[in-house]
Amino acid sequence: GAVVSQHPSRVICKSGTSVKIECRSLDFQATTMFWYRQFPKQSLMLMATSNEGSKATYEQGVEKDKFLINHASLTLSTLTVTSAHPEDSSFYICSAREGRVNTEAFFGQGTRLTVV
Amino acid sequence: GEDVEQSLFLSVREGDSSVINCTYTDSSSTYLYWYKQEPGAGLQLLTYIFSNMDMKQDQRLTVLLNKKDKHLSLRIADTQTGDSAIYFCAETPGGFKTIFGAGTRLFVKA
Repeated sequence: GAVVSQHPSRVICKSGTSVKIECRSLDFQATTMFWYRQFPKQSLMLMATSNEGSKATYEQGVEKDKFLINHASLTLSTLTVTSAHPEDSSFYICSAREGRVNTEAFFGQGTRLTVV
Repeated sequence: GEDVEQSLFLSVREGDSSVINCTYTDSSSTYLYWYKQEPGAGLQLLTYIFSNMDMKQDQRLTVLLNKKDKHLSLRIADTQTGDSAIYFCAETPGGFKTIFGAGTRLFVKA
């Protein structure tokens, strides 16, 4: 299957700082990318959907000013957690698909964010 | 609404079959997926089934789909200790975004 690379795999940051997570599709052009958050022992919660060149669509309850998503190219989307707090500590996973509908989504390895 | 439900835990002995069940809500889901997640790792796509199929077999994995009841199951034959992980069922309402269940934690006892 296609490869989606997520970086970094782990990051520790101080409260109040911002951290950027990258999601790259390595061998295909990702028209759509999705960002998920996973709390310990829980499922993946969809945070937002981004289409290349347009603004991200955020799910209800997700603060768009807190979680900035940029999808400037067909192979890269970034999630920036701004002014991070300990409650933002979580596992963040991206996925990417080549088409918009009914195509397989490929997942990155995930990023474990710890805010201290 | 969008809601995928699965039981949270399953424990089996090595060599036995495991059956993980899932119910979903959106009949527009074209594909239904099973993903595996090992501790601290990302998601691995195990298999998927197209909504017009009743069954799909892939080596030790068998997926059964009852579209009328919106019920999906994953059977793992000859379960091994390496199969211990969390298994997520997922639906794709409208063929676009992927909605996950809470995950079933499979314990395989040697």
